Amino acid sequence: DVKVTQSSRYLVKRTGEKVFLECVQDMDHENMFWYRQDPGLGLRLIYFSYDVKMKEKGDIPEGYSVSREKKERFSLILESASTNQTSMYLCASSLETARYGYTFGSGTRLTVV
Amino acid sequence: GEDVEQSLFLSVREGDSSVINCTYTDSSSTYLYWYKQEPGAGLQLLTYIFSNMDMKQDQRLTVLLNKKDKHLSLRIADTQTGDSAIYFCAETMEYGNKLVFGAGTILRVKS
Repeated sequence: DVKVTQSSRYLVKRTGEKVFLECVQDMDHENMFWYRQDPGLGLRLIYFSYDVKMKEKGDIPEGYSVSREKKERFSLILESASTNQTSMYLCASSLETARYGYTFGSGTRLTVV
Repeated sequence: GEDVEQSLFLSVREGDSSVINCTYTDSSSTYLYWYKQEPGAGLQLLTYIFSNMDMKQDQRLTVLLNKKDKHLSLRIADTQTGDSAIYFCAETMEYGNKLVFGAGTILRVKS
């Protein structure tokens, strides 16, 4: 069964900490995505990647960076966590064209205190 | 630009049919999707439809596509409490590499 695995289901971090959210897929997908989900705002795209070492900004990249050193792994980095980054973070992957849709991970609920 | 809109909330009684609606703006949308998100979980692909189809049925799920009005709907027959979730509509183009999502519709099923 194809899978997208996010390393943590729940995280609590302090303001100002550097936070790493990890995502691994085992489907040899070219594309990987990071979204955040907040009540009433739906899914908002933070960053995406079409290939190893490639990255593109999404709709809300401020305060975040990403790393894709290997095809199967896409990391989201909060350089200096702030309370307004408390959210549900969802990773997804897809083939080069998204026609078959995305496969999502289970999500990481991050709380910044 | 591309936009996908959904109503925010739907409440139905167990055993009734649910109809969740979605409109999109991009006439070149080729693939349209319905995802389900249960509480505290990621999104799960429920079904999809290609723009050359008007309808697709899969057990209790029926997807209807009206290309002229750019309207997509998901009908769930005999709705159960386990159907309570957020339902997202999404679309992409033929060679698109990103999906555009609606904000999600919260379906509440009352027993």
